[in-house]
Amino acid sequence: KQEVTQIPAALSVPEGENLVLNCSFTDSAIYNLQWFRQDPGKGLTSLLLIQSSQREQTSGRLNASLDKSSGRSTLYIAASQPGDSATYLCAVASSSYNTDKLIFGTGTRLQVFP
Amino acid sequence: SQTIHQWPATLVQPVGSPLSLECTVEGTSNPNLYWYRQAAGRGLQLLFYSVGIGQISSEVPQNLSASRPQDRQFILSSKKLLLSDSGFYLCAWTGVETQYFGPGTRLLVL
Repeated sequence: KQEVTQIPAALSVPEGENLVLNCSFTDSAIYNLQWFRQDPGKGLTSLLLIQSSQREQTSGRLNASLDKSSGRSTLYIAASQPGDSATYLCAVASSSYNTDKLIFGTGTRLQVFP
Repeated sequence: SQTIHQWPATLVQPVGSPLSLECTVEGTSNPNLYWYRQAAGRGLQLLFYSVGIGQISSEVPQNLSASRPQDRQFILSSKKLLLSDSGFYLCAWTGVETQYFGPGTRLLVL
């Protein structure tokens, strides 16, 4: 059974710092991995999607990497801003099931203060 | 463009009362639809998914049920709510390579 873990659970940093959020999964047979952002009391917004054949994806100040063999992904946020404050969730789609079914981690709650 | 709606946005219900949460999608046809629950301190848990009208798969045994009476309508129901049903309920549909989430319904069972 696929399990997804995210560390740290919470993170509070001053503006301008570079951050690394970690995600690990127990079954390396994944179809893809996604990082989502969730603002308080809101739905989720997809940030980056990495296919199982890819090593990384970049969007603006965000870079996500994937090491499928070790069951790890990292989300790197460069030059953090207060607007980055949110909960970040990673989710994997397992290749052995319906690829639409996502298994989510518990998230990292990020606070960036001015 | 595609849009996903959920209502109500917030709901406070007594234990033992019935529940009906609605999700509708605009701008796409025959989407795969999902109900998730996010409880305090826990990750998103997939409750139900549907690949078509009348086709429902349940992921977790519980006192909730789901129905899909129309192509772009997905309903989450309960006959008698439990305290443990409190949480944030999210509906989602599958687009190109990712899932798109609705704004969610916050349910508090007292």
